[in-house]
Amino acid sequence: AQSVTQLDSQVPVFEEAPVELRCNYSSSVSVYLFWYVQYPNQGLQLLLKYLSGSTLVKGINGFEAEFNKSQTSFHLRKPSVHISDTAEYFCAVAPGGAGSYQLTFGKGTKLSVIP
Amino acid sequence: EAQVTQNPRYLITVTGKKLTVTCSQNMNHEYMSWYRQDPGLGLRQIYYSMNVEVTDKGDVPEGYKVSRKEKRNFPLILESPSPNQTSLYFCASSPLGALAGGRSTDTQYFGPGTRLTVL
Repeated sequence: AQSVTQLDSQVPVFEEAPVELRCNYSSSVSVYLFWYVQYPNQGLQLLLKYLSGSTLVKGINGFEAEFNKSQTSFHLRKPSVHISDTAEYFCAVAPGGAGSYQLTFGKGTKLSVIP
Repeated sequence: EAQVTQNPRYLITVTGKKLTVTCSQNMNHEYMSWYRQDPGLGLRQIYYSMNVEVTDKGDVPEGYKVSRKEKRNFPLILESPSPNQTSLYFCASSPLGALAGGRSTDTQYFGPGTRLTVL
């Protein structure tokens, strides 16, 4: 079984400040990790993903995340946020390797960027 | 234009009345999946399909059925809806590689959502 914990349900941050959204996972097998974004009253979009290789993953809109296997974490970061980054962010995990594509999501973190 | 379409977008129904929410994609993707989104619970996967006639359960499959008879379509069926299935539903599609291996540019495409209310 796999699970995801997003440690903060809401994160307020001032415009142009850095932000980190925290995600920890639990799995008995190797994992693939994902971050998704949902802008207000809109659908979902894949932000970035870690499947293998470099543990630092760059995504769209200037976001990046680092896979830390020893800490079982996949925190999302951005060095300088904009008003347009206000959205809800979801971390997700899938079993690594072929054969299973079951995605388990965290409960989400609402990022509010304050002007 | 690459897209995932869902119908209907909004539906109010009553307990026990069978309904189907359709999902269709025009990108020839192998992988399709259904999610429900509830306040405070985030997103939860209901079912997914890796190709025609290949489906598997997600985290919350109870009360739902799916079928994948054609590659482009992945309908979600509620045989006997109950109020606890009131939710916002999203369908998504992607190449298999978007979730395992594949190109780094492979991504998932989500439908616009279906807001279902069961009275």
